[in-house]
Amino acid sequence: GQQVMQIPQYQHVQEGEDFTTYCNSSTTLSNIQWYKQRPGGHPVFLIQLVKSGEVKKQKRLTFQFGEAKKNSSLHITATQTTDVGTYFCAGHNYGQNFVFGPGTRLSVLP
Amino acid sequence: KAGVTQTPRYLIKTRGQQVTLSCSPISGHRSVSWYQQTPGQGLQFLFEYFSETQRNKGNFPGRFSGRQFSNSRSEMNVSTLELGDSALYLCASSLLIGAEQYFGPGTRLTVT
Repeated sequence: GQQVMQIPQYQHVQEGEDFTTYCNSSTTLSNIQWYKQRPGGHPVFLIQLVKSGEVKKQKRLTFQFGEAKKNSSLHITATQTTDVGTYFCAGHNYGQNFVFGPGTRLSVLP
Repeated sequence: KAGVTQTPRYLIKTRGQQVTLSCSPISGHRSVSWYQQTPGQGLQFLFEYFSETQRNKGNFPGRFSGRQFSNSRSEMNVSTLELGDSALYLCASSLLIGAEQYFGPGTRLTVT
């Protein structure tokens, strides 16, 4: 079955540094979604990418979908303490369920 | 618009018992998915329902079952509970299958 991997598993950064998490699927995807889960909270939807090579930005967050639609990345510029949490990617194929990656846990030191 | 609600929020059960968890999706959302979240396994997909029909099922034993009602509310049931069933059970609703998912706060199940 479809597998989704994420690296790194953990990332510790100093406030103001950049952060990137990478997501790789074993199969070509129809679309991919990104979620953020704060400690003690539930996943919150960030973005959905559908097109090959798509790039979307949300303030300091930049999301990319690979040309082959098998990988994606999330880049945060100049991290802030409010960025703390676990970032999940979720891959989807038509007719199938979303498969979540294991997540990247980000901690930001002030 | 009210968010996804899940009841109960916390539950303590003993091995061998059964449990029913409830999820009310956002008004107008017809798709409901259930996930099990544990520290070691991350978010594991359980079921997906759309208009009362189960569209997809994850790789869980038959002790895990679910259903969706005509008002889109959903329930999941776990029978003959095992210690390993201790987890946070999350429900997510979406307008359509494959669309952005809105998660509820989850039900924290502890099996002793």
